[in-house]
Amino acid sequence: SSELTQDPAVSVALGQTVRITCQGDSLRSYYASWYQQKPGQAPLLVIYGKNIRPSGIPDRFSGSSSGNTASLTITGAQAEDEADYYCHSRDSSGDHYVFGTGTKVTVL
Amino acid sequence: QVQLVESGGGLVKPGGSLRLSCAASGFTFSDYYMTWIRQAPERGLEWVSYIDSVGATIYYADSVRGRFTISRDNAKNSLYLQMSSLRAEDTAIYYCARVSSSWQGDWFDPWGQGTLVTVSS
Repeated sequence: SSELTQDPAVSVALGQTVRITCQGDSLRSYYASWYQQKPGQAPLLVIYGKNIRPSGIPDRFSGSSSGNTASLTITGAQAEDEADYYCHSRDSSGDHYVFGTGTKVTVL
Repeated sequence: QVQLVESGGGLVKPGGSLRLSCAASGFTFSDYYMTWIRQAPERGLEWVSYIDSVGATIYYADSVRGRFTISRDNAKNSLYLQMSSLRAEDTAIYYCARVSSSWQGDWFDPWGQGTLVTVSS
């Protein structure tokens, strides 16, 4: 199976923009999805596919992809966006799934 | 509304077995692939296993293959994970999730609230 690598932590000032990246060979072949997890809660899907937000997810969340890197951008970060974020995709074999290492986002 | 509820977690000794269940409601369960994901304490998410809509195609993570068995009962709208030869490193919150797939990739939504499995003597 392949790996998806994320920066362990990033911080962003309230109202500013933060970009979280996810790198892995399988991302050249498969789209990533992104999950937000707050303490004590189950993960929540925030972005999937090319750049699709599920119902109820604010439009300040957006996704993009280039080569072996997928990105999640929060434009105008809010205090409630403070959470762990995980990317997810298929691995290079296509038969298994893999999660990124996770990024802790702190809103200052 | 679409909902997944896990049950069956608990404390088990190393080498023991446990069966987790995931009850689905609010959608046509038999139309969807399903998956199990786990999260060890203070750790990241780890994909465990998935099963297609009829139970014909099943995959496991290397870390659990040969010890865990995923199954489903579409008549009961339920997903299961039979875990055996449990190890301390299997200690985690276990989540079930619905799998959706298209040319836009694969995504897991919704997730259940999770059930805690603790392997300790």
